[in-house]
Amino acid sequence: GDSVTQMEGPVTLSEEAFLTINCTYTATGYPSLFWYVQYPGEGLQLLLKATKADDKGSNKGFEATYRKETTSFHLEKGSVQVSDSAVYFCALHLGANSKLTFGKGITLSVRP
Amino acid sequence: GAGVSQTPSNKVTEKGKYVELRCDPISGHTALYWYRQSLGQGPEFLIYFQGTGAADDSGLPNDRFFAVRPEGSVSTLKIQRTERGDSAVYLCASSLKGGWDTGELFFGEGSRLTVL
Repeated sequence: GDSVTQMEGPVTLSEEAFLTINCTYTATGYPSLFWYVQYPGEGLQLLLKATKADDKGSNKGFEATYRKETTSFHLEKGSVQVSDSAVYFCALHLGANSKLTFGKGITLSVRP
Repeated sequence: GAGVSQTPSNKVTEKGKYVELRCDPISGHTALYWYRQSLGQGPEFLIYFQGTGAADDSGLPNDRFFAVRPEGSVSTLKIQRTERGDSAVYLCASSLKGGWDTGELFFGEGSRLTVL
């Protein structure tokens, strides 16, 4: 079935460090891909998305590029801030389905 | 309200008891979803409503789980004869019409269920 695999966490970085969080997927068709973020004490919220191959999603300094050849959607940010500390979930959606399929999530902690 | 509201935020119950979890979606959102998130896992789909009807309930794990949305707004997730394995955070999300044109679901903070 369809699935999303995220790198093992947690991840701890110093402020202004470069961030990469890996995400790969398995799907029977051509999914849309998403990153959701959950800040402490808040609900999940959409961070960025890409709907077709080679699309780049971006928001709040984060970027991710839909790579069909490697079935990946890695999340990157050039300079993280303490306020980026959160849990990050990669997810996919296939057009015929009504649901999002999520990865396990990874906790990012950024220290000053 | 401004966002998706879920009550209770925490529920502790004993094995075998009945539990109801409530979700108030964003006003005007026709699509409503329930997900379950176990410790260390990502959210897993349970059921999707479009209006009053359950359009997809393929994620409900067994017949102890049931959800309703009688007026197309508030939804209640009902769990009968709770088991310790039902302990998880139950998430509700809503979207304007189905979400897939934008991919954006709006999530509540969840109801944490603990079955002793």
